[in-house]
Amino acid sequence: DIQMTQSPSSVSASVGDRVTITCRASQGISNWLAWYQQKPGKAPKFLIYAASTLQTGVPSRFSGSGSGTDFTLTISSLQPEDVATYYCQRANSFPPGLTFGGGTKVEIK
Amino acid sequence: EVQLVESGGGLVQPGGSLRLSCAASGFTFSRYWMSWVRQAPGKGLEWVVNIKQDGSEKYYVDSVKGRFTASRDNAKNSLYLQMNSLRAEDTAMYYCARIYDVWGGYYRDFWGQGTLVTVSS
Repeated sequence: DIQMTQSPSSVSASVGDRVTITCRASQGISNWLAWYQQKPGKAPKFLIYAASTLQTGVPSRFSGSGSGTDFTLTISSLQPEDVATYYCQRANSFPPGLTFGGGTKVEIK
Repeated sequence: EVQLVESGGGLVQPGGSLRLSCAASGFTFSRYWMSWVRQAPGKGLEWVVNIKQDGSEKYYVDSVKGRFTASRDNAKNSLYLQMNSLRAEDTAMYYCARIYDVWGGYYRDFWGQGTLVTVSS
């Protein structure tokens, strides 16, 4: 199965900072990648699909990029409401599974 | 408005059984793959099972094969997860999610609020 690895596992930044999270696939997945945001105590929320397309209603400070094996999620100007854990998920080779990365926790410094 | 509402979680002893339900509304349930995803306390997301629109195909993560059974009733817009031979490591929040396919990719675009399963003596 294709493995998804995220880094860092956590990041602490100040309000207004640019934050970048990386997701790496163990083999190429073209642009078949999603990003999810999970705020504390809440269900995950679908943010980005096809590596770079924002789901409706997602603020424009979020952006995604990448193709093949290396992907990034960028928050251009971190806001207090962005405190959450972010997960990538590969979106190809389905079925059987759609594997998640291990998650990156974003906190305010 | 798409809604997914899970129920059926609770405290169960090791070796016991539990049946989770997910009631769907706001979309044509029979047109979508559905998924159960779990999250152990303080841990990341783990897909448990994906079930095809008509229930004819089901794919399980290795750790639950032979113990968990997913099913769906399209007439009732409902998804189920029968969990048998439960272990402490099955303790988690269980979410149901809709799988949406777009441009050849498959994404879990809507999630329920989750139901907590605790396996403990």
